[in-house]
Amino acid sequence: DTEVTQTPKHLVMGMTNKKSLKCEQHMGHRAMYWYKQKAKKPPELMFVYSYEKLSINESVPSRFSPECPNSSLLNLHLHALQPEDSALYLCASSHLGEGTAQETQYFGPGTRLLVL
Amino acid sequence: AQSVTQPDIHITVSEGASLELRCNYSYGATPYLFWYVQSPGQGLQLLLKYFSGDTLVQGIKGFEAEFKRSQSSFNLRKPSVHWSDAAEYFCAVGPIQGAQKLVFGQGTRLTINP
Repeated sequence: DTEVTQTPKHLVMGMTNKKSLKCEQHMGHRAMYWYKQKAKKPPELMFVYSYEKLSINESVPSRFSPECPNSSLLNLHLHALQPEDSALYLCASSHLGEGTAQETQYFGPGTRLLVL
Repeated sequence: AQSVTQPDIHITVSEGASLELRCNYSYGATPYLFWYVQSPGQGLQLLLKYFSGDTLVQGIKGFEAEFKRSQSSFNLRKPSVHWSDAAEYFCAVGPIQGAQKLVFGQGTRLTINP
């Protein structure tokens, strides 16, 4: 099973709201990722967690706050977003083996976010 | 620096026709290559991947890809397309180890004519 689930599927929020996106996997993967994808563009990496610790932050604005409560769960907390933050937010996970493990990232279906 | 080029932004083929989507990469070491497919409003689904070994890789949905080191290419092929293959296709280069970002091409949008 290579399933990554994301909730909600769609989200509409105002610029003063606080909301959270949730991602879950039960494949035993120890690396989890957040990507942002604008229309007609490839995904852009935002954050990477390795063994529940933030290992990569691609200079993402602080209005996006990631959290990894345990090895199966990844959250993205949103606060004071701008209309240009409207996008598809994708979560992915990978095994993160030792040595020269071949990491394959498996993606969830995404959350479509609209900021008004 | 790693980079991936998909020269064709949009391709239209007739149902039942053969398909080839091009992907060229630039990577300093042995690449770890992927093809993903994305239907409208959906996430990315892994079609196939290449790390080493046989340079012709079979994937899901009848797709295959061939790694050619001399041409720095990893082209995706299908002998006969179906209307359900209409989607966006992304080629990507991944890290050899560790949790790092995938470097994606710009994508190729595939339209199928009935």
